[in-house]
Amino acid sequence: NAGVTQTPKFRVLKTGQSMTLLCAQDMNHEYMYWYRQDPGMGLRLIHYSVGEGTTAKGEVPDGYNVSRLKKQNFLLGLESAAPSQTSVYFCASSYHQGGNYGYTFGSGTRLTVV
Amino acid sequence: KQEVTQIPAALSVPEGENLVLNCSFTDSAIYNLQWFRQDPGKGLTSLLLIQSSQREQTSGRLNASLDKSSGRSTLYIAASQPGDSATYLCAAETSGSRLTFGEGTQLTVNP
Repeated sequence: NAGVTQTPKFRVLKTGQSMTLLCAQDMNHEYMYWYRQDPGMGLRLIHYSVGEGTTAKGEVPDGYNVSRLKKQNFLLGLESAAPSQTSVYFCASSYHQGGNYGYTFGSGTRLTVV
Repeated sequence: KQEVTQIPAALSVPEGENLVLNCSFTDSAIYNLQWFRQDPGKGLTSLLLIQSSQREQTSGRLNASLDKSSGRSTLYIAASQPGDSATYLCAAETSGSRLTFGEGTQLTVNP
């Protein structure tokens, strides 16, 4: 099982450029998330999805867009990158069945905006 | 808005020592409290999940407790080993299946 796969693993962008981060999960999880991790600030939720075709804003959604056209994929887009978006981005998926929960995280994408 | 705080921010102990990591949260209306481990340059690995109706969970040398009324959780690591060196994160799950993370405790276990 691959679990949660993020591509790319590293990327350097110039200010104003756009890019899409891809997250894929093979566990048939309903829920998917995008977080960013910055030094001294922990992980903060950007956007999330509770099922195919749905998306919702998290704590820090500005400057990002997402799409969940297929259950297994969750895309994070940056339309016009800014230096403040330099961060490590983590995708996660989860299941919630009755009283059972399970979260799986990807290995992260390190993005630098210059 | 849920806020999660972890103390201490960093901890260095000799091998074999028992230790406690602390996590506090401001909103007691949580579904569960989770502890994760993060190794440098890697993603998060789930360690323990305590549902809101539970008081503690155990896995091997790890024991996590939850006191919703006081807004606190602790992670107890018994007989620490150098391989336990990592950053430990706690996260509170609230409505909408959203996790709010603390900033983490960076643990170093010295041989």
